Amino acid sequence: ETGVTQTPRHLVMGMTNKKSLKCEQHLGHNAMYWYKQSAKKPLELMFVYSLEERVENNSVPSRFSPECPNSSHLFLHLHTLQPEDSALYLCASSQKIRRLAGESDTQYFGPGTRLTVL
Amino acid sequence: GQNIDQPTEMTATEGAIVQINCTYQTSGFNGLFWYQQHAGEAPTFLSYNVLDGLEEKGRFSSFLSRSKGYSYLLLKELQMKDSASYLCAVRGNILTGGGNKLTFGTGTQLKVEL
Repeated sequence: ETGVTQTPRHLVMGMTNKKSLKCEQHLGHNAMYWYKQSAKKPLELMFVYSLEERVENNSVPSRFSPECPNSSHLFLHLHTLQPEDSALYLCASSQKIRRLAGESDTQYFGPGTRLTVL
Repeated sequence: GQNIDQPTEMTATEGAIVQINCTYQTSGFNGLFWYQQHAGEAPTFLSYNVLDGLEEKGRFSSFLSRSKGYSYLLLKELQMKDSASYLCAVRGNILTGGGNKLTFGTGTQLKVEL
């Protein structure tokens, strides 16, 4: 148990559906992240939020829309996805986005949502 | 940018010692992390190195050489539950805009056998 929860754990959706992934952290952290993990590929950073403000977007397609209403919650809204978007979507949190050199500021991950797009 | 390389798979025997290597090329460096990920579960933090040398934590140790762009994770007294994927991740330098962005390798799938 890392203090980061994600729901749902599994999701199957058609290409025309709209769904949302939810992440909640109970660690009092200020920064939250969405990652995509595909088979045989490294974790890819999608979005970063610090104090509810998006600070980084790694050129993610607009069919993925993040939302961070407060420092404890992060959503990923999905619409008109493609089969190649099938992957494990991981949420993470850390104490702060800006840190002094040498501080670990470790990111803690949730268990992920296994998404299958048909 | 960052480029991380680690072996795809390794097999070791219960009770033995295994070393998982990670090499990286980076335009900015401010720390290297190792995570363990069991199938279907969250990656869990194992270790952090920012200075050269060895960090020991129980059965796990991690080593860093910044000049060589090289790290390894050493697992001693292997147990069956150590079968998992081990992810190496490098953090960019805050001065070059890296912030707390982590770049991950593809992970090394370790199988521990009897």
